Amino acid sequence: DAGVIQSPRHEVTEMGQEVTLRCKPISGHNSLFWYRQTMMRGLELLIYFNNNVPIDDSGMPEDRFSAKMPNASFSTLKIQPSEPRDSAVYFCASSFAGGIWTEAFFGQGTRLTVV
Amino acid sequence: AQTVTQSQPEMSVQEAETVTLSCTYDTSESDYYLFWYKQPPSRQMILVIRQEAYKQQNATENRFSVNFQKAAKSFSLKISDSQLGDAAMYFCAYSSSGTYKYIFGTGTRLKVLA
Repeated sequence: DAGVIQSPRHEVTEMGQEVTLRCKPISGHNSLFWYRQTMMRGLELLIYFNNNVPIDDSGMPEDRFSAKMPNASFSTLKIQPSEPRDSAVYFCASSFAGGIWTEAFFGQGTRLTVV
Repeated sequence: AQTVTQSQPEMSVQEAETVTLSCTYDTSESDYYLFWYKQPPSRQMILVIRQEAYKQQNATENRFSVNFQKAAKSFSLKISDSQLGDAAMYFCAYSSSGTYKYIFGTGTRLKVLA
């Protein structure tokens, strides 16, 4: 397996624009996580899905953020409208939660810059 | 709510020496997992070692070992024979079977001096 795949690797956008980050989890994993990493706040869990269902979105900062997982092999994180304070590295991770526990495997992250 | 605390923002170690990174956590759950992740400048998150809470034996992976003190809720990482390639941010993480989510500490930046 190629691991967790995120796209794009880098995104620069203007304030007010819509941004969509994409993630393909590892095949067979049933849990997917979106994290945001900043110098000030470290790694924050934004939302996680189990079997494609959002379980906990309490980390989503505000209504401008939304996440979907239409099937087991794809998820998106959308920011609309984007603001400069959204600039961060966004990580997607997946794991298998069940009888045999696995660690979270991370993608390489998307560095988002909002100007 | 579960929390993970790393009280050392930065640590330094001489090459070939041993260093210990600290981590404490807070939880009321009994079944959980603890992890140490490494994040080099490439920003890729790499699993270093994992520990199941029900196991009393401390996990070991080559030069990396943990000191897991369940009663004290402490989970420290020991790196022996430190190498230049060990320089990175190290994150302690907690995950429980009840919530499936992973909670991370704020990280410790490790510098390895030649």
